[in-house]
Amino acid sequence: DTGVSQNPRHKITKRGQNVTFRCDPISEHNRLYWYRQTLGQGPEFLTYFQNEAQLEKSRLLSDRFSAERPKGSFSTLEIQRTEQGDSAMYLCASSLAVKIPNYGYTFGSGTRLTVV
Amino acid sequence: DQQVKQNSPSLSVQEGRISILNCDYTNSMFDYFLWYKKYPAEGPTFLISISSIKDKNEDGRFTVFLNKSAKHLSLHIVPSQPGDSAVYFCAVLNTGNQFYFGTGTSLTVIP
Repeated sequence: DTGVSQNPRHKITKRGQNVTFRCDPISEHNRLYWYRQTLGQGPEFLTYFQNEAQLEKSRLLSDRFSAERPKGSFSTLEIQRTEQGDSAMYLCASSLAVKIPNYGYTFGSGTRLTVV
Repeated sequence: DQQVKQNSPSLSVQEGRISILNCDYTNSMFDYFLWYKKYPAEGPTFLISISSIKDKNEDGRFTVFLNKSAKHLSLHIVPSQPGDSAVYFCAVLNTGNQFYFGTGTSLTVIP
């Protein structure tokens, strides 16, 4: 297992287009999280799944954003009608639903989205 | 409303000296605190954590101190090494197992 994998690493899109990112978590991890990081800021929570259930969504996740984890394994994050303000690094993390020293959070390397 | 603040965007330290990174938080109900390290083009990696029942946790060259009355967290790295050069984020655990992150401090260790 090579950790949390995110694809693509980089995405450049025109304003108004739809984009979809994929995250493959560590295989035994049942929790999956999406965060967004803009320049000069720390990661901000967007949403998380336990297995296939989406348990929490941030107010940052507008109607144009949708996340799925259909079989409780990989997840996709779709942004519809992209805006320039969506330009950011989108980070995925996974963990087990148990308390261990760092809550088992392992981050992927992220997908950097640039909306032009 | 920034729940976690890192007021120093950058810090430069000579190799072998101590690096001290600071973090302030707003909510006294937070009970679990962590430091993450991030290299360019990589995701954050866990460094060290502390729960609110402790005031110090040490792991090798890294020590985290928690001052609950001041709502202040600090990370000490001693001795600092060039490979420690990275962006450091403090994070606090919110309900629902999500984290609030600070804005980060970019540490440069000068050889």
